[in-house]
Amino acid sequence: RKEVEQDPGPFNVPEGATVAFNCTYSNSASQSFFWYRQDCRKEPKLLMSVYSSGNEDGRFTAQLNRASQYISLLIRDSKLSDSATYLCVVTSYNQGGKLIFGQGTELSVKP
Amino acid sequence: DAGVTQSPTHLIKTRGQQVTLRCSPKSGHDTVSWYQQALGQGPQFIFQYYEEEERQRGNFPDRFSGHQFPNYSSELNVNALLLGDSALYLCASSLALGRNSPLHFGNGTRLTVT
Repeated sequence: RKEVEQDPGPFNVPEGATVAFNCTYSNSASQSFFWYRQDCRKEPKLLMSVYSSGNEDGRFTAQLNRASQYISLLIRDSKLSDSATYLCVVTSYNQGGKLIFGQGTELSVKP
Repeated sequence: DAGVTQSPTHLIKTRGQQVTLRCSPKSGHDTVSWYQQALGQGPQFIFQYYEEEERQRGNFPDRFSGHQFPNYSSELNVNALLLGDSALYLCASSLALGRNSPLHFGNGTRLTVT
């Protein structure tokens, strides 16, 4: 079983749609959680950290469920510019803080 | 303030050859990590350097080795290249080993092995 697993993509949605990405992780000692965004042929960039209480940044909402070892990302009112691959990332101090990436979920927002 | 810089941006090598990739961390960062990203996959952790020593290593063979210099820059060396080594190699820097410090990625080196 992979340490971090994401919904297989791609997701094709119209502009204005709400889309949700799901991610599960296997290491119960994982302590920090992130969503990264990666544009085609570019480097990953931090989108947002994920906190136990859930957090929101504009149209983006991240949720963490430690009991179920589950992370989600919700994008409201999708824009064309949201088209990218979204990477779920976890890390834990007992792994020296190295990032463990999911395989990514590709999002394509159409006009 | 320069971010993470990697060189070269693209590289084509033949099976069996050796390659060296280079990385300069973001100003003020002291920790460098290397990741391999195959097409359609998420980045996979190779190793991490701090204070010129390898501190963590992922599931990569000994053909993959690295180095960190006193100025915090780093090299990734791959010997006896295989076709399967073709990937985007990403360098990421951060501040302070083991802390919840955001990683900053470079643009990557795209390696093609023929």
